[in-house]
Amino acid sequence: EAGVAQSPRYKIIEKRQSVAFWCNPISGHATLYWYQQILGQGPKLLIQFQNNGVVDDSQLPKDRFSAERLKGVDSTLKIQPAKLEDSAVYLCASSLVGTGSEQYFGPGTRLTVT
Amino acid sequence: QKEVEQNSGPLSVPEGAIASLNCTYSDRGSQSFFWYRQYSGKSPELIMFIYSNGDKEDGRFTAQLNKASQYVSLLIRDSQPSDSATYLCAAGIGANNLFFGTGTRLTVIP
Repeated sequence: EAGVAQSPRYKIIEKRQSVAFWCNPISGHATLYWYQQILGQGPKLLIQFQNNGVVDDSQLPKDRFSAERLKGVDSTLKIQPAKLEDSAVYLCASSLVGTGSEQYFGPGTRLTVT
Repeated sequence: QKEVEQNSGPLSVPEGAIASLNCTYSDRGSQSFFWYRQYSGKSPELIMFIYSNGDKEDGRFTAQLNKASQYVSLLIRDSQPSDSATYLCAAGIGANNLFFGTGTRLTVIP
C-alpha cells in the first residue's frame, strides 16, 4: 500500500512570495490533515478535511494560508504572502475516518523563508 | 487549552535496557492516544495507539494508559541504538484534532 505522498520535499522562498504544497493521501483515506511543525516542537494542526469538506481550520492563519481538497482526494496548501516565521516542515497526514483513528504522515515539505 | 506535556529529555539509556517515556494530558475528554517516533529530518511514524485503560503490548513496545491520572507512557524493552529518535505523544478527542506534545528525545547508547 502506497503511503502519503507530498511535493515538493524542499522549498526556499523569499518573504512576501507565495508557495504551494501538494499532498496525495493513502488510497481510501477520507480524512486529510495539514500540520505545521516548527523545529523542536510537535506538529500543530492547520486544517482537517473529511472528504472535500473542512472539519477544523481553527488554527489556520486565514489571512495568508489557504487549502483545498476539491475532489476529496489530493489537497493543496498555499501560503501567500510568506513570512519568516512560516519556516517549518509542512506535514500532510491521512486517516480512514476521523481523528480518533490512526493518522499516517507523508515525508513533509521543508520550507525556508529568507 | 488542550495540552500534552512531555519531558523533552534527552533521555539516555544503555543498549538492552528499558526506556520509559511519559506523557500527561490536560483534557479529560481525550479518548485516543498515540505514540509516534520521529527520526531527525524525517516525518512522524505511528508506532502505538491505545484507547482503553491498561497496557497494550506490541513486540518490544508497551503503551500504558491511566485516564484517572491523565497519564500515558511508552515502554521500550531491549532498547536498540536504532530506537534513538524523538518520541511524540498525541491525544485525540472524538472528531477533533490531535494535540501533540513537543516530544522526548531518546538516545540509546551502544
